[in-house]
Amino acid sequence: ETGVTQSPTHLIKTRGQQVTLRCSSQSGHNTVSWYQQALGQGPQFIFQYYREEENGRGNFPPRFSGLQFPNYSSELNVNALELDDSALYLCASSLDVGNTEAFFGQGTRLTVV
Amino acid sequence: QQQVKQSPQSLIVQKGGIPIINCAYENTAFDYFPWYQQFPGKGPALLIAIRPDVSEKKEGRFTISFNKSAKQFSLHIMDSQPGDSATYFCAARRNTGNQFYFGTGTSLTVIP
Repeated sequence: ETGVTQSPTHLIKTRGQQVTLRCSSQSGHNTVSWYQQALGQGPQFIFQYYREEENGRGNFPPRFSGLQFPNYSSELNVNALELDDSALYLCASSLDVGNTEAFFGQGTRLTVV
Repeated sequence: QQQVKQSPQSLIVQKGGIPIINCAYENTAFDYFPWYQQFPGKGPALLIAIRPDVSEKKEGRFTISFNKSAKQFSLHIMDSQPGDSATYFCAARRNTGNQFYFGTGTSLTVIP
């Protein structure tokens, strides 16, 4: 186990709704990244948070937003859900920003109907 | 555009065999190359990683071979076991970057 925990594990939402996914990073890790993994694909980078500030963003629209809290836990918020948002959402924590190892949580399976 | 290309898409080997998974990249700014193992319904787990200043790294039954000039790297699994059946992803990261670029994954099945 990596020590990175995500909640909930599964979620079903209706198109147009909003969703919040949560991540508790590994103890001592101040950097959290979020990835979207569509079925049969590799994870795609959404964004990264370092010390409560966004530190880079992938090719995702603004309706994907995030937060990092003082204890370095994090949230991913998705507004106006679309069917294509159905995926496994992964949180990864790293000891520090930069070129270090990333440890993934078990993910949240989001289904949009 | 896929930054890291991975092959094959799927692989079936007998127990004890040595599956080899290959990845290629174009961006010479990449300088950290991890491999992840993912079981169904789970997040990716870091297996082994390499930097381009070495050509090979071994950890247990897992070996990464790295060819900097060809911009290719591969994962070898020695004495493969049915418990190794999973999806394997290669990835790459720039030295000043904040994101991993993942390959499309290889589904490995090890037959008893």
